[in-house]
Amino acid sequence: QQPVQSPQAVILREGEDAVINCSSSKALYSVHWYRQKHGEAPVFLMILLKGGEQKGHEKISASFNEKKQQSSLYLTASQLSYSGTYFCGTATNDMRFGAGTRLTVKP
Amino acid sequence: DAGVIQSPRHEVTEMGQEVTLRCKPISGHNSLFWYRQTMMRGLELLIYFNNNVPIDDSGMPEDRFSAKMPNASFSTLKIQPSEPRDSAVYFCASSPLSGGSYNEQFFGPGTRLTVL
Repeated sequence: QQPVQSPQAVILREGEDAVINCSSSKALYSVHWYRQKHGEAPVFLMILLKGGEQKGHEKISASFNEKKQQSSLYLTASQLSYSGTYFCGTATNDMRFGAGTRLTVKP
Repeated sequence: DAGVIQSPRHEVTEMGQEVTLRCKPISGHNSLFWYRQTMMRGLELLIYFNNNVPIDDSGMPEDRFSAKMPNASFSTLKIQPSEPRDSAVYFCASSPLSGGSYNEQFFGPGTRLTVL
């Protein structure tokens, strides 16, 4: 079962913040976040392995609410380089990716 | 390490022809995944292997698709016969599996397949 991401797309001005949500109808063992730039392969950002865990990567951080079967990705003070499509991946017995959230950061 | 290697990078073929995509995972990784990406359907998991054994092929769209992993350093995805709707970017990814939990996946550059 594919996780559900929201929003589908978001446009920001440089310096603005954004939140991308990921939810699953199944119990989650871990949540993975990837970013894909146009014409390139997805690149790993971070994994959250247990409920309540939060992680950060530069000004990008994420949280994992195991009970609610949800994860959120927080982009703070966005930069032009943050543009791309963000995927969450949920691991139960295998890996399933959400449909992606297209993030565009404008000057 | 060279990363995940896929070949060819681009493939253009005619409907009905056989297509074989190749993947060399990162040495030491024991999980390998094949994905298909299209605008309409996003990133779809086709099949994955753990220690060269296919674990779940429920994502393989039809019997025209088959995948093999004869050893730890090589995998193929074959489409026979190919159809225009198979046109997509096919990614291979590998990951070290530990404790039953999936770690970071390293994606190859992808193969862009066009079936005319």
